[in-house]
Amino acid sequence: DIQMTQSPSTLSASVGDRVTITCRASQSVSAWLAWYQQKPGKVPKLLIYKASSLESGVPSRFSGSGSGTEFSLTISSLQPDDFATYYCQQYHSFLWTFGQGTKVEI
Amino acid sequence: QVQLVQSGAEVKKPGASVRVSCKTSGYTFGSHGISWVRQAPGQGLEWMGWISAYNGNTNYAQKFQGRLTVTVDTSTRTAYMELRSLRSDDTAIYYCARDSATGGTGVFDPWGQGTLVTVSS
Repeated sequence: DIQMTQSPSTLSASVGDRVTITCRASQSVSAWLAWYQQKPGKVPKLLIYKASSLESGVPSRFSGSGSGTEFSLTISSLQPDDFATYYCQQYHSFLWTFGQGTKVEI
Repeated sequence: QVQLVQSGAEVKKPGASVRVSCKTSGYTFGSHGISWVRQAPGQGLEWMGWISAYNGNTNYAQKFQGRLTVTVDTSTRTAYMELRSLRSDDTAIYYCARDSATGGTGVFDPWGQGTLVTVSS
């Protein structure tokens, strides 16, 4: 299976900060990578697919980049609603896997 | 709108089986596959398996091979997940999630509300 490793595991930030989360794949997944946001007690929400395509309705302060084995999710100006846990997920091979998550906290 | 509504919480003893349902509405059922993803308490997301609602083809994570069965009933637009030989570390919230209309197969959107399965003697 392709292993997905996110860094950092926890990120402390303030409102207005620019935040970047990194996701590394154990082998190339091309651009077949998605990002999800999950708030405590809530269902995960799709933010980005195909590495950099913003899902409809997701604020433009979220952006994704990368290909192959290195990916990043950037929040250009952190808002109070963005404090959550973020997961990357590869869907290159038909054995899909998630990263372990990055918690963005105050 | 697209909705996935899951069955209620379950409490099972070790060694038992659990079956969770996921009733869908608001889209052409056969056009999108459905995955099952679980989340143990305080832990991350773990993909378990996928089924094509078009032809019933399945794909399972190696970890669950032999213990997991995912099915669909096209007449009721419902997907099912059965996990057998339950252990305490199977205690988790189990989610169904549809293949995304934009991202395609392997991208999960939307998700069901989750079903808590507790395995305890």
